[in-house]
Amino acid sequence: KQEVTQIPAALSVPEGENLVLNCSFTDSAIYNLQWFRQDPGKGLTSLLLIQSSQREQTSGRLNASLDKSSGRSTLYIAASQPGDSATYLCAVRYSSASKIIFGSGTRLSIRP
Amino acid sequence: KAGVTQTPRYLIKTRGQQVTLSCSPISGHRSVSWYQQTPGQGLQFLFEYFSETQRNKGNFPGRFSGRQFSNSRSEMNVSTLELGDSALYLCASGRTSGRLGETQYFGPGTRLLVL
Repeated sequence: KQEVTQIPAALSVPEGENLVLNCSFTDSAIYNLQWFRQDPGKGLTSLLLIQSSQREQTSGRLNASLDKSSGRSTLYIAASQPGDSATYLCAVRYSSASKIIFGSGTRLSIRP
Repeated sequence: KAGVTQTPRYLIKTRGQQVTLSCSPISGHRSVSWYQQTPGQGLQFLFEYFSETQRNKGNFPGRFSGRQFSNSRSEMNVSTLELGDSALYLCASGRTSGRLGETQYFGPGTRLLVL
């Protein structure tokens, strides 16, 4: 069964710290992986999309890496800010025509 | 460019009723996907439409149905509502149907409460 897991479920760190969020998937034959953030009661905002042939993507203070052989992706957030507080979700698509499978998310809180 | 819009934003229904939710994708996008989000189950895929055709369907009962119109707007219908259908229903649009690994853009969601 294809599953996506995110651990920990919640994380609290002081402002300014660099942090890493983890995502693991059971089937390494992925098509792409996407990281989203969701603010309370809101929809999802796409952060980074990594194709299966790529190893990482960067946008501003965010860097996402992909290691298919180990079934893992990480989202690195540099110099965290209170505005980064949100739930971060990773989502995996296994083929161009397949559905997206979401992890349960990591709720991140940045303490001022 | 306007984002994905969903109407209504909030809805209260009673058990046994039926409900229709609407999603207007970003202009030029032809793919629309629907998701259900609950605290217990997280985000679960309902179905995906591309050019008025359903391309994928999640593991939901037949009470959940959808359609897409020629202008790419999509509707989702839930009949005979149950308490467990209370959730945030999210719609996402894309230019194609996953080909080229494109990004999906999400709307703000419709929060449905079934009493």
